Amino acid sequence: DADVTQTPRNRITKTGKRIMLECSQTKGHDRMYWYRQDPGLGLRLIYYSFDVKDINKGEISDGYSVSRQAQAKFSLSLESAIPNQTALYFCATSDFEGGPRETQYFGPGTRLLVL
Amino acid sequence: RKEVEQDPGPFNVPEGATVAFNCTYSNSASQSFFWYRQDCRKEPKLLMSVYSSGNEDGRFTAQLNRASQYISLLIRDSKLSDSATYLCVVIKDYKLSFGAGTTVTVRA
Repeated sequence: DADVTQTPRNRITKTGKRIMLECSQTKGHDRMYWYRQDPGLGLRLIYYSFDVKDINKGEISDGYSVSRQAQAKFSLSLESAIPNQTALYFCATSDFEGGPRETQYFGPGTRLLVL
Repeated sequence: RKEVEQDPGPFNVPEGATVAFNCTYSNSASQSFFWYRQDCRKEPKLLMSVYSSGNEDGRFTAQLNRASQYISLLIRDSKLSDSATYLCVVIKDYKLSFGAGTTVTVRA
């Protein structure tokens, strides 16, 4: 079984709809992240959480919100979806142990299309 | 200026060839450097860390040039399975910055 899972894997929605993307992990990591990936732009950080009580905005948090329900679960919501939120969304965890080096472990991604 | 920049490619090479490409970063105080591999429509996965002295992992060699602020990845004896997009990742103060990726296509 995958260590980091995302649901749904694909989603088509309409402008103005609220949707939630869910992420679960079995790696036991405290740190979790949400990224979006657009062609030519690389991965951009939306939100991150260093533990259950810690939520931080990333570089492109406008239009998004998150919830860290448990160490293993981190959900991303689009309150009112718009077409430019069409992208590939990745959840990730990391094995941070106090130094500047950390490995990110990504989920399989959610392809979102906003019409 | 983007924090991390990569030549998008694609680099089209025959099997057995050597291919190399760079990634430049803008913040001279960056602390850690990595290469991730991303197959088409899949999630990125760590390929290797990049150490100051340079390091190898099989056919892959990574180098860091702090003076010129770039890291490089060299792939020797390319295999068809090396076809992927290679993402450069730079960390400073626990903040990760990703490059947009360099696409490599190895042909038979």
